[in-house]
Amino acid sequence: SQQGEEDPQALSIQEGENATMNCSYKTSINNLQWYRQNSGRGLVHLILIRSNEREKHSGRLRVTLDTSKKSSSLLITASRAADTASYFCATDDLKDTGRRALTFGSGTRLQVQP
Amino acid sequence: GAVVSQHPSWVICKSGTSVKIECRSLDFQATTMFWYRQFPKQSLMLMATSNEGSKATYEQGVEKDKFLINHASLTLSTLTVTSAHPEDSSFYICSATWDRSTSYEQYFGPGTRLTVT
Repeated sequence: SQQGEEDPQALSIQEGENATMNCSYKTSINNLQWYRQNSGRGLVHLILIRSNEREKHSGRLRVTLDTSKKSSSLLITASRAADTASYFCATDDLKDTGRRALTFGSGTRLQVQP
Repeated sequence: GAVVSQHPSWVICKSGTSVKIECRSLDFQATTMFWYRQFPKQSLMLMATSNEGSKATYEQGVEKDKFLINHASLTLSTLTVTSAHPEDSSFYICSATWDRSTSYEQYFGPGTRLTVT
């Protein structure tokens, strides 16, 4: 299974509401990142939180990291229709190849209704 | 800064033909580039990692002879899907970084949608 599992798989909310997405991972990490992907497009980096950090803010985004539970959450406050997208967490892992690379979670599809 | 482009953005090819996808770092030198594949409504799966001037490192289950990767310069990596089949239809995304030792601060291209008929 993938390193990062996210829940919920899909989330539908009204504009102005907050959206919370969770990510769990299995191995120890140096950092965890969150990305956004609009349908059929590339990824946009949202925020990176290092393993020694517990919380980080960026505009309407708030990310928490609990390394004891191997989990992270992304909170989007005061959501807008333009926030409609898929959101992925990603951890940097040591691959079987001996190299470090990102492993992406399964993603949460967020739909914000105007 | 840190812009990555991909070309083409979409391509349709016939089964059995080969398709080349380019990934370019426009304003930085990319020591490492990554190639991912994404099927509809699924996550990104890493296919291979390429360092400039050396052979690509493929993830388990990815056929080296089918997905040829060349990272000939610090700004260009190419992925060639050889003898493409309909099951190769997917969204291919590259990312690039200038730091050999870490995988964070990756910058992603906009992706290439491949449809094999």
